Amino acid sequence: QKEVEQDPGPLSVPEGAIVSLNCTYSNSAFQYFMWYRQYSRKGPELLMYTYSSGNKEDGRFTAQVDKSSKYISLFIRDSQPSDSATYLCAMSAGGNNRLAFGKGNQVVVIP
Amino acid sequence: GAVVSQHPSWVICKSGTSVKIECRSLDFQATTMFWYRQFPKQSLMLMATSNEGSKATYEQGVEKDKFLINHASLTLSTLTVTSAHPEDSSFYICSAHGGYRDLNEKLFFGSGTQLSVL
Repeated sequence: QKEVEQDPGPLSVPEGAIVSLNCTYSNSAFQYFMWYRQYSRKGPELLMYTYSSGNKEDGRFTAQVDKSSKYISLFIRDSQPSDSATYLCAMSAGGNNRLAFGKGNQVVVIP
Repeated sequence: GAVVSQHPSWVICKSGTSVKIECRSLDFQATTMFWYRQFPKQSLMLMATSNEGSKATYEQGVEKDKFLINHASLTLSTLTVTSAHPEDSSFYICSAHGGYRDLNEKLFFGSGTQLSVL
């Protein structure tokens, strides 16, 4: 079993729809959870950062972490064409431990 | 958020030449920097972990003599692809681990370098 599982998609939604992305993981030591957005041929950009379980909201973006189920989610409300990108989940156990990445989920928002 | 600058963003070189890619943390000190390689429509593949003032730690299967990493200061790490060949063509991305308290555990990425070896 891979450390982090993320369905690569692609996922196409109409503009204004809610985008729902998720990752599962196997390492119970993970405490720090991140979502990165990557546009084509650009470096990933940190979008959301969560420590331990719970929800975090930032504008149209909501990140959820359920450590008991080893499951994290990212929701994008009122999706825009500019949200079209690849979204990578990432997590770490802390300290200088490397990040474990999901494969990335390509999202296309259709105008 | 913190800024990581990576240069060049795009380079074409002849087979057999060496290419140096720079990664700088502009507004924080990065005790640890990472170098990744990414193929089209694939996730990031960690190549090596670079700690300031010490030798880099390479992932299994990554040639140390091929991909030279230097992390001479807390704000600069370089990756040199030596004697580049067409199979080395890829998108290379660096990232820096923040040292400030509110940057802990967060990783900030450079904009990437597309290397094309002819």
